[in-house]
Amino acid sequence: AQSVTQLGSHVSVSEGALVLLRCNYSSSVPPYLFWYVQYPNQGLQLLLKYTSAATLVKGINGFEAEFKKSETSFHLTKPSAHMSDAAEYFCAVSTGGGNKLTFGTGTQLKVEL
Amino acid sequence: GAVVSQHPSWVICKSGTSVKIECRSLDFQATTMFWYRQFPKQSLMLMATSNEGSKATYEQGVEKDKFLINHASLTLSTLTVTSAHPEDSSFYICSAPPGTVQETQYFGPGTRLLVL
Repeated sequence: AQSVTQLGSHVSVSEGALVLLRCNYSSSVPPYLFWYVQYPNQGLQLLLKYTSAATLVKGINGFEAEFKKSETSFHLTKPSAHMSDAAEYFCAVSTGGGNKLTFGTGTQLKVEL
Repeated sequence: GAVVSQHPSWVICKSGTSVKIECRSLDFQATTMFWYRQFPKQSLMLMATSNEGSKATYEQGVEKDKFLINHASLTLSTLTVTSAHPEDSSFYICSAPPGTVQETQYFGPGTRLLVL
């Protein structure tokens, strides 16, 4: 079985500040890991993914995430937050080819002036 | 990039009626599509896997007779909510992996269903 835990259902940062969204996973086999962003009343957009290549993954909009097997983590970071980053962020895990995704509960990111 | 569309984007219906939601892959073929539901302020929960040419696979706790899935072609899957009730009101999202890139899925924009 696989699962994802996202610590912090709400995160608030100032514009220009570091963004850190936490994700820990549980998987009995090597996982594929994903971060998705969802804007209000829209579907999900892939930010980045880890599929057993480089452990530091760079995605769109300046986001990146580092896969740490020892910590079973895949935290999402961005050096400088922008107002347009305000959205819901979901971490997801899949195994065995990547088709079946298990999502975390999501983190709502708020960016303040 | 690959695009997945859903129709309608929102629908309001009366309790007891059935509602059909379409999910289309616009520029690729998808032998598999996935249906999720998302309640307000909650995460996505996988409902079922739609398989072209065969029966859908439902997740535990999802009523297959209530949520009918038909994968009619390599670019179209439909979800029919039969005898809808207010508790079925939710945001329904489909996704599809392009055939040869199994670790990537493209998500539709979602369908908001409100059952009165």
